[in-house]
Amino acid sequence: GAVVSQHPSRVICKSGTSVKIECRSLDFQATTMFWYRQFPKQSLMLMATSNEGSKATYEQGVEKDKFLINHASLTLSTLTVTSAHPEDSSFYICSAPRDLGYQETQYFGPGTRLLVL
Amino acid sequence: SQKIEQNSEALNIQEGKTATLTCNYTNYSPAYLQWYRQDPGRGPVFLLLIRENEKEKRKERLKVTFDTTLKQSLFHITASQPADSATYLCALEWIVDTGRRALTFGSGTRLQVQP
Repeated sequence: GAVVSQHPSRVICKSGTSVKIECRSLDFQATTMFWYRQFPKQSLMLMATSNEGSKATYEQGVEKDKFLINHASLTLSTLTVTSAHPEDSSFYICSAPRDLGYQETQYFGPGTRLLVL
Repeated sequence: SQKIEQNSEALNIQEGKTATLTCNYTNYSPAYLQWYRQDPGRGPVFLLLIRENEKEKRKERLKVTFDTTLKQSLFHITASQPADSATYLCALEWIVDTGRRALTFGSGTRLQVQP
């Protein structure tokens, strides 16, 4: 079964509104979660690293004031796209690393499709 | 600059054959190399991880090789099935700085297995 969930799976909003996406780790704690964005037929691009108890770390070129990240608990990280515009339309995916003892594995959420009109 | 390259053209093979996908990278010193499967509209699903000091890793019908001299990984699916049709992503996990690792993805190769 899924070990990382995302909500909502799909959202359509008007330009200028804000959209919140939740990422939850199920049955395990994640002090770190990662947020990616994927445009059609392109690679996943890391946007930021969400850290429980501290500020998120943003990749170069990602505006921290536009993409607000809050790691509210050991199982929940949220990404808020503020004042969304059509160019923000994309597939947003989160992941959480899980230590299986013999290796650390990244578990990805099912993704959230955002369409900004 | 750092780059990960996967063949952007789709790979079409017949059921039962072995599919081989290639991942080449430059300017990385990866700690691990990982392969993921991604179906349309879904998040990636982890398949295999191979460490820099490992040459080969197997899991059921999957085999991954890792050549740090050539800076290349090959991903094989033996006895391929139509259900194996998906996009396969390679990803390098590398050390950014102390205590922090990053995972960088290739753009993926679409595999289509014909019945």
